[in-house]
Amino acid sequence: EVQLVESGGGLVQPGGSLRLPCAVSGFTFSSYWMHWVRQAPGKGLVWVSRINSDGSSTNYADSVKGRFTISRDNAKNTLYLQMNSLRAEDTAVYYCARAYDSSGDGIDYWGQGTLVTVSS
Amino acid sequence: SSELTQDPGVSVALGQTVRITCQGDSLRNYYANWYQQKPGQAPVLVFYGKNKRPSGIPDRFSGSSSGNTASLTITGAQAEDEADYYCNSRDNSGNRLEFGGGTKLTVL
Repeated sequence: EVQLVESGGGLVQPGGSLRLPCAVSGFTFSSYWMHWVRQAPGKGLVWVSRINSDGSSTNYADSVKGRFTISRDNAKNTLYLQMNSLRAEDTAVYYCARAYDSSGDGIDYWGQGTLVTVSS
Repeated sequence: SSELTQDPGVSVALGQTVRITCQGDSLRNYYANWYQQKPGQAPVLVFYGKNKRPSGIPDRFSGSSSGNTASLTITGAQAEDEADYYCNSRDNSGNRLEFGGGTKLTVL
């Protein structure tokens, strides 16, 4: 069974940092592109970032480029999102998700999400 | 703001057919994927690529595309189909993804 479990969310002050790990199981992690997608309370889905299977290629939404870093440890079956210089508008549930093929375009499995609240 | 445009809300009578659309220039070059999200839950992929339905998704869900518009059709909508539906695709840069703003489907 494919499982993706995010953690690391919580309350952080504006300008602060947070790292979100996503532990995966049930599939060969090193073979898949992975994504982070976020959803502000009561709002729609917003794509944040993606990384290819070996970690050599990454892409970011303009809203987080230069502040967030996606990475992965294939030996530990874990995806990460390092978030720096956090702003109130980064408040959201952050989902870890698996791309369904090597194009990295679509998502077939999602975690349950972890809530990040940026507030003083 | 999203470059993929969806109607904010659509309603359908129980058992009838409804089409949910997604418009955007990038859809001329890339396929759309469709997700269903119910309150308090993570999204679920319901249709993707050229003509693919994940295992376990009822065959009343189908997708199509023409020009800059992709559509998700539910033939014979059920009460359990009431949810938010999102499309996604690559953006015009080809290096980033984007989601539509979502469509809230109400089954009457």
